[in-house]
Amino acid sequence: GESVGLHLPTLSVQEGDNSIINCAYSNSASDYFIWYKQESGKGPQFIIDIRSNMDKRQGQRVTVLLNKTVKHLSLQIAATQPGDSAVYFCAENIWRAGKSTFGDGTTLTVKP
Amino acid sequence: GAVVSQHPSWVICKSGTSVKIECRSLDFQATTMFWYRQFPKQSLMLMATSNEGSKATYEQGVEKDKFLINHASLTLSTLTVTSAHPEDSSFYICSATGPTDNGYTFGSGTRLTVV
Repeated sequence: GESVGLHLPTLSVQEGDNSIINCAYSNSASDYFIWYKQESGKGPQFIIDIRSNMDKRQGQRVTVLLNKTVKHLSLQIAATQPGDSAVYFCAENIWRAGKSTFGDGTTLTVKP
Repeated sequence: GAVVSQHPSWVICKSGTSVKIECRSLDFQATTMFWYRQFPKQSLMLMATSNEGSKATYEQGVEKDKFLINHASLTLSTLTVTSAHPEDSSFYICSATGPTDNGYTFGSGTRLTVV
């Protein structure tokens, strides 16, 4: 079946460094991708999204890159802060279908 | 922005009892809501799609008679875990498609513990 997986289960970075979290997806029909941040005991929080007609999208301190050729996307966080510590999920979707297929999650730990 | 509220945030119940979890879209109408389950240190797994005014669509392997979903209005969907057992203990999260194109808004989740 379809699956979305993350390459690394944990990532530890120093405060101020840049973080890169990677994700692979397998459903070639997916045309909409979302990165979520989930803090302990809370629901996922939307970070940034990208449609399949784009390769790159930037937000505030975050950038998502999409490589459809190899079915890979990444989340880059600039100047990582302690408040960025959380579990990050990528999710693949069909545009406007509403439901997300989540990857396994990467735990990001930011060391002060 | 779009806000989805879940209630209760946590609940402890005895084995064999039923528990109802509410999911409300506070500032928008949601014809479709989604229910996910998340076990500790695992990802979110879609359980069912809740459609306003019609029957829910369940994912493969999810017992529809055990997880009753009612979407009676455009702002409220409920998930009832019937005859709960300890293995049903999990974090249940709902989401709704908001008014904007990228509006996949999640509730804050409900921690269910069955003892």
